[in-house]
Order: sequence, then structure tokens, then C-alpha cells
Amino acid sequence: LAKTTQPISMDSYEGQEVNITCSHNNIATNDYITWYQQFPSQGPRFIIQGYKTKVTNEVASLFIPADRKSSTLSLPRVSLSDTAVYYCLVGDADGASGTYKYIFGTGTRLKVLA
Amino acid sequence: EAGVAQSPRYKIIEKRQSVAFWCNPISGHATLYWYQQILGQGPKLLIQFQNNGVVDDSQLPKDRFSAERLKGVDSTLKIQPAKLEDSAVYLCASSHGLAGELFFGEGSRLTVL
Repeated sequence: LAKTTQPISMDSYEGQEVNITCSHNNIATNDYITWYQQFPSQGPRFIIQGYKTKVTNEVASLFIPADRKSSTLSLPRVSLSDTAVYYCLVGDADGASGTYKYIFGTGTRLKVLA
Repeated sequence: EAGVAQSPRYKIIEKRQSVAFWCNPISGHATLYWYQQILGQGPKLLIQFQNNGVVDDSQLPKDRFSAERLKGVDSTLKIQPAKLEDSAVYLCASSHGLAGELFFGEGSRLTVL
């Protein structure tokens, strides 16, 4: 089961680009890397998912090096509303049951300052 | 598209009492998850269903927690008897397929006094 390591917290200012790096040294060949965002009193919300290289959507970019042992979530020009906890997940595929299990770590608390 | 529905949103009980949480996943989603989130921590997977079968309940404290998913749709998570350390938010999530995006409900916040 691949374990992820992220910084506990980060501070940034409005308008800046924020990069949150996640370490997942034991990632398996068929594992995807997924990032979720969670606001207080809400369930986590999907941000982005990737397998290798770079993935970009309207919210963020995900950079994954060739060895896939780490990944970086990039949030362009953050605003106060991006203050949240960000989780990096590496799925655990179970070939026997044909299922995919998501294990959350402790996440990174991002605080965006005015 | 309707999201994942959970109820109740809040519940306060005394220790040794019982409580049940209900979840209605997004229509057509075969996989349903129950997570426990203690304040300040990431969500912890309790149980995962594929249709109406359990595929992982390794982290479920089976002496007091039980869950079922009748007919592969709605699910109920029960705690009996509750302990103080069960105070947490119980999150239900569903996904369409393997490695698919998880859609979470707003959660049910349990306080055990």
C-alpha cells in the first residue's frame, strides 16, 4: 500500500502560484495519483488526477516526474477561497477484487493571505 | 445530477447509545465508501462496497460498527454501542468505476458525550 507524505501546512498570498509536493516512493505501476480539496464542514472534492508527465484542467496542474515517486499540485494565482486542506492520494488497486481503494493521508493545510 | 446524500447532518448521543447514518449515492455508482474523519485528521476508510458486496472492511471496528448496502444502492452505517472516540464526521462517497473520481456527501457529524 503506497503511502504519501505531504507538508503539514503552507501559507501563500493572493495572486501567487502555489506548489504542493507529495512524496509516494512506493507507488505501484498501475496506481494513479489524485488530489482532493476539502473545505471545513464539507466532504473532499476532486481536483485532478494523473498517471505520468503533466495534467492540466481549469483548476490546477499536476506534474509527475518519470519515476513517479513524487507529484506536485500547482494552483495558479490563488485567492482567499483556495484556503483549504489538500490531500494527495495514491490508489491501491486490488487485483483479486477488481477494486480500487483510496487512502487519505493527513493533507496539507493551505492558508491564503490577503 | 444529484450528489451524494447523507443524513442526519448532526447527531449528539451519549456513550453506549446507538446511532445510524444513511447514505444515498449518485445514481449508477457501483462503488460506495464510508470514511471516518476525526477533527484535524484525513478521512479514514472504514468500509468499501462494490454493488451490494463488501470488498474491504479491514479498518471497520466490527465489534461496534456495522454497515450494509441493500440492493446495491442506499447504505447504512451503524454504531452500537458508541464510545467517546467515535466522535467524528462520517463521510459517504461513491464512484462510477475503478480509479474513478470519488464524490463525497457533506458528512454526518457525530458527537458522543
